[in-house]
Amino acid sequence: RKEVEQDPGPFNVPEGATVAFNCTYSNSASQSFFWYRQDCRKEPKLLMSVYSSGNEDGRFTAQLNRASQYISLLIRDSKLSDSATYLCVVNQGGFQKLVFGTGTRLLVSP
Amino acid sequence: DTAVSQTPKYLVTQMGNDKSIKCEQNLGHDTMYWYKQDSKKFLKIMFSYNNKELIINETVPNRFSPKSPDKAHLNLHINSLELGDSAVYFCASSQASQSSYNEQFFGPGTRLTVL
Repeated sequence: RKEVEQDPGPFNVPEGATVAFNCTYSNSASQSFFWYRQDCRKEPKLLMSVYSSGNEDGRFTAQLNRASQYISLLIRDSKLSDSATYLCVVNQGGFQKLVFGTGTRLLVSP
Repeated sequence: DTAVSQTPKYLVTQMGNDKSIKCEQNLGHDTMYWYKQDSKKFLKIMFSYNNKELIINETVPNRFSPKSPDKAHLNLHINSLELGDSAVYFCASSQASQSSYNEQFFGPGTRLTVL
């Protein structure tokens, strides 16, 4: 079983749509959680951290369920510029040993 | 004023050669990392250094040797390159602190192709 699992997609959505990505992780001792975004042939960049209470940043909402070991990302009012691969990332502790999911590809079309 | 820079950006070489990739960060961070992203886009940590000390060493062949001359630099030397080493190698850095929520900043990547 992979340490961090994501649906690879692609998710094809029209502009303005709402789209949700899910992720599960296997290590119950994981300490912190993130969504990173990676554009084609570019480096990953932090989109948002995911806290136990859930958090929102503009059109993006992240949720964490520690009991189910499940993380989600909701994107509202999708823009063309949201097209990218979204990486679910789990810090397994100590000195920030990040474990990445394989990513979910999002394509937003006009 | 690039935050994390890597050289070279592209590296094409023959099997059996030895090559190095260099990384530098000007963010004042204490911790630096090397990641490998394979052809299936799976990103996996290889090494991490904190203040020039090796703290994460994943199951990586001995042919890979990281070196941190100071806390702003982390280089990766690869001996006897194999076809399976073809990948994108990313350097990253972060603050070292008690928080487990420190953001990691990635360099632009080095695309290594072994022929």
